[in-house]
Amino acid sequence: DGGITQSPKYLFRKEGQNVTLSCEQNLNHDAMYWYRQDPGQGLRLIYYSQIVNDFQKGDIAEGYSVSREKKESFPLTVTSAQKNPTAFYLCATRDFGSGANVLTFGAGSRLTVL
Amino acid sequence: KQEVTQIPAALSVPEGENLVLNCSFTDSAIYNLQWFRQDPGKGLTSLLLIQSSQREQTSGRLNASLDKSSGRSTLYIAASQPGDSATYLCAVSPPLYNNAGNMLTFGGGTRLMVKP
Repeated sequence: DGGITQSPKYLFRKEGQNVTLSCEQNLNHDAMYWYRQDPGQGLRLIYYSQIVNDFQKGDIAEGYSVSREKKESFPLTVTSAQKNPTAFYLCATRDFGSGANVLTFGAGSRLTVL
Repeated sequence: KQEVTQIPAALSVPEGENLVLNCSFTDSAIYNLQWFRQDPGKGLTSLLLIQSSQREQTSGRLNASLDKSSGRSTLYIAASQPGDSATYLCAVSPPLYNNAGNMLTFGGGTRLMVKP
């Protein structure tokens, strides 16, 4: 999937637990993004990061946290404060140097809260 | 705030038909528009990218058009095949001067089923 690895592919969580979804890229892209997708709906932006050690909230950041300690990695933590975490989570990257403003997506992680 | 709508939400056609998927957006101030394909449980694959200054882009059996002034884009699939069955999403990108982190706005997608 274009050099973006998301893991795990499937994850089950009990209510009240925090879980962390991994996103690793070997594309040397500058920016990384986390989207949430619910059935029959478009993608909604959770968090994004344009440079290391910096990140910004998207439209639905509440209940989520991220870090960007190195360029290749942008893990997403779904905290117990997220009221409805069951969803499909997609990580994406963008190369500033290409000028095309195009996102490359990973294969996604499906989180189910039991 | 930009809103993107895709109609219909689902479409079923027999193999061989030509078909059109529709995408509309409320704010014509866009940098580009992309069409993506998503297979069940998978990530998104970019199909076509149309810059705001362009009218259409073609790739094989796919043709995407853009009418920025009316806020519409169409994805035309010629001679559909069962392998085309997937969800197709469109997304618009705001102008670069307003592009705080590439805030793509996605439509809800059209789920296409091509029957043999």
